[in-house]
Amino acid sequence: EAGVAQSPRYKIIEKRQSVAFWCNPISGHATLYWYQQILGQGPKLLIQFQNNGVVDDSQLPKDRFSAERLKGVDSTLKIQPAKLEDSAVYLCASSLGLAGGLYQETQYFGPGTRLLVL
Amino acid sequence: AQTVTQSQPEMSVQEAETVTLSCTYDTSESNYYLFWYKQPPSRQMILVIRQEAYKQQNATENRFSVNFQKAAKSFSLKISDSQLGDTAMYFCAFTGGGADGLTFGKGTHLIIQP
Repeated sequence: EAGVAQSPRYKIIEKRQSVAFWCNPISGHATLYWYQQILGQGPKLLIQFQNNGVVDDSQLPKDRFSAERLKGVDSTLKIQPAKLEDSAVYLCASSLGLAGGLYQETQYFGPGTRLLVL
Repeated sequence: AQTVTQSQPEMSVQEAETVTLSCTYDTSESNYYLFWYKQPPSRQMILVIRQEAYKQQNATENRFSVNFQKAAKSFSLKISDSQLGDTAMYFCAFTGGGADGLTFGKGTHLIIQP
């Protein structure tokens, strides 16, 4: 079974530029998450999708960050314009979601995209 | 809001020793799930072990086991017969029921010395 795929793996941009990250979850996983992991810290949830609907985006800085999951499969996360403090690893994770009447909470992570804003 | 606290920023042990990583959490929920994830240097987050709060029995996975103390809101990870490949950041994480996002601690950097 293929894992969570993310691209690009690394990205370097100047501040005020825009950038987009792509994630393809494990096949059949209904729930998709984007996390931001700043160096030396644990990941922080940015946004959660259930199929193509947003479940939780309370920690997403909506003035500059946006995300979509149009067909309920892969997802893109965009930053426009980027700031120095956006330098971090952006992790995508997926979980099966509702299956057999029970939520399957275990999340599986992709390799992440390392962003450096100069 | 839930919080997860890992009080050991770094630990170092010799190969083959047993090591215990600490984690405490705070929540008002009665049903929830706890996880330990491993993040090797420059590599992706890997699930080590999970525990459902409604289960009294502590989870085990080969050399990895947990000590889950629900009343004390404590969830420690024990690694037996430690190996060089266990060197990594270890994150404790919490989620309430219903496929919510994870709340992570700050992590413990575990170094296994040869």
